Amino acid sequence: GAVVSQHPSRVICKSGTSVKIECRSLDFQATTMFWYRQFPKQSLMLMATSNEGSKATYEQGVEKDKFLINHASLTLSTLTVTSAHPEDSSFYICSADRDRGGREQYFGPGTRLTVT
Amino acid sequence: RKEVEQDPGPFNVPEGATVAFNCTYSNSASQSFFWYRQDCRKEPKLLMSVYSSGNEDGRFTAQLNRASQYISLLIRDSKLSDSATYLCVVNRLNSNYQLIWGAGTKLIIKP
Repeated sequence: GAVVSQHPSRVICKSGTSVKIECRSLDFQATTMFWYRQFPKQSLMLMATSNEGSKATYEQGVEKDKFLINHASLTLSTLTVTSAHPEDSSFYICSADRDRGGREQYFGPGTRLTVT
Repeated sequence: RKEVEQDPGPFNVPEGATVAFNCTYSNSASQSFFWYRQDCRKEPKLLMSVYSSGNEDGRFTAQLNRASQYISLLIRDSKLSDSATYLCVVNRLNSNYQLIWGAGTKLIIKP
């Protein structure tokens, strides 16, 4: 099956610093990638839709200047959490859409961010 | 009202039993439905898509009731390895590939 990797898997940073998370589709090209955030015992919340070669589409309430998304190629999207604060601590998961119909979304293993 | 609602559980079920849970969705125009499984602190994995006519995959059966706007998942002969959180997912209106996620139903299979 299709594989999506995420790096790093876990990161601890100090408040005020920036953290970059990479999402890669390893064996297919993904025109669209999605970034989710999940707090404990809550559902995945879509943060933004990342399209290769164009600006990301952010969900309501997600600050685009704080969560910078770059989809530079068909296999790589990055999420940068700028000026991180403790409330940004969460599980960040990306997914890559293989067929644009939603039926073949493959998820990365997630990145657990802890901001101290 | 949430777009996708699930009973959070947990459902504590003895090994070998049959368990079923439902998920309701608010948008009658939703077209695509899925069940995902998520293990603790892991990414979700697609368990099965849900088709209008209902579908079965081994011990798992999924059904869609458009009139009442719910989907269901039935697990027969439950195994210890079935313990996980089951996420109900529907597509967003006017978007075939943006998914709306339920908060999940936690299932615990006991020996």
